[in-house]
Amino acid sequence: DTEVTQTPKHLVMGMTNKKSLKCEQHMGHRAMYWYKQKAKKPPELMFVYSYEKLSINESVPSRFSPECPNSSLLNLHLHALQPEDSALYLCASSQGTGGYEQFFGPGTRLTVL
Amino acid sequence: AQKITQTQPGMFVQEKEAVTLDCTYDTSDPSYGLFWYKQPSSGEMIFLIYQGSYDQQNATEGRYSLNFQKARKSANLVISASQLGDSAMYFCAMRDQGEETEGAQKLVFGQGTRLTINP
Repeated sequence: DTEVTQTPKHLVMGMTNKKSLKCEQHMGHRAMYWYKQKAKKPPELMFVYSYEKLSINESVPSRFSPECPNSSLLNLHLHALQPEDSALYLCASSQGTGGYEQFFGPGTRLTVL
Repeated sequence: AQKITQTQPGMFVQEKEAVTLDCTYDTSDPSYGLFWYKQPSSGEMIFLIYQGSYDQQNATEGRYSLNFQKARKSANLVISASQLGDSAMYFCAMRDQGEETEGAQKLVFGQGTRLTINP
């Protein structure tokens, strides 16, 4: 299995809602990433988990809360988002030490009303 | 800090022609890695090719090759015999040497080039 899966594919939420994005990989990768991508822009790194520990937080607002329950799963909990948070959210994983390329999931297109 | 520059916002190419997508980079670190990703309109980022700074030969993967000119700090992607399915956004990226934690690494992306293949 050489893919990263993300659910849901599309999400529409109000500013008072709480929702979660889910990412899963079964490649045995030990590093997992969340990116945010606005239209016509490159992905922007949000969080990195390495061996199930948060290793990088790119000063992301607290309304985004990541969670890594185990080495295969990565969640992004959303609460009290703003319309400007509407974007494509991409999850990626990499092998960790010795492996360099990141494998991306198909993304979740989030719309905040 | 590392920086990636892609100077072509958009390119239009006839089907079956070869195409070169430009990428220049800036880093003071002697050890670095360069990546190319393809992003179709569906959104998924697809890894295409990787070049390490110490690799002696240019990387190749099927129809993709990387024209690595270290002295000029350029890592252009060459797609041979282009196909309609090659129409997508292409990103050049570099591994950020200052941000590596237990194997996890931060990528620095260029602004991307939108490639359109015409029939």
